[in-house]
Amino acid sequence: GQNIDQPTEMTATEGAIVQINCTYQTSGFNGLFWYQQHAGEAPTFLSYNVLDGLEEKGRFSSFLSRSKGYSYLLLKELQMKDSASYLCAVLDTGGFKTIFGAGTRLFVKA
Amino acid sequence: GAVVSQHPSWVICKSGTSVKIECRSLDFQATTMFWYRQFPKQSLMLMATSNEGSKATYEQGVEKDKFLINHASLTLSTLTVTSAHPEDSSFYICSARDGGQGETQYFGPGTRLLVL
Repeated sequence: GQNIDQPTEMTATEGAIVQINCTYQTSGFNGLFWYQQHAGEAPTFLSYNVLDGLEEKGRFSSFLSRSKGYSYLLLKELQMKDSASYLCAVLDTGGFKTIFGAGTRLFVKA
Repeated sequence: GAVVSQHPSWVICKSGTSVKIECRSLDFQATTMFWYRQFPKQSLMLMATSNEGSKATYEQGVEKDKFLINHASLTLSTLTVTSAHPEDSSFYICSARDGGQGETQYFGPGTRLLVL
């Protein structure tokens, strides 16, 4: 079956670093996405990893290990506006569908 | 970057009426568009995959006669919720894949539907 696991909620302090983990078990794999979704809004694209390793983009980095079925999103220098849900999603090779995890709600406190 | 629009952003309607939601890719051609539904504090649930010029592919449990999808052009897909009921109230989000930019999906701003 298709399964994507990520923590339900996390809390971190402004200025700190937080790592949001994601593990997946899917029948196919054609890449992993991270999206940010603020309450009441649609998701916005953060990153796409298809090869193992770390991709850095400003304050956000994403890591992938295909052999372990594992990814993480690293947020540095946290700001209050980073409070949002972060969705881990796997692109399935079958019908090119994207399978979403339930999301991790991040609360950034002062 | 790729921009996807949705219209309307908010709909309030009476039970039994039909509601049409439009999804447009503004600066790219999208051969494939996706329709999702999201209930409060839950993740995105894929409803159907919309392919230009062909019938949509619906996910298990989604009634194709209730959620009509038309993808008549490379920049427009529509979702019609027919005979809407209160349990259809949800946040409907479309996304489109820009084939020239890899596999990334770009999401529209979503349509919030409230059926009274």
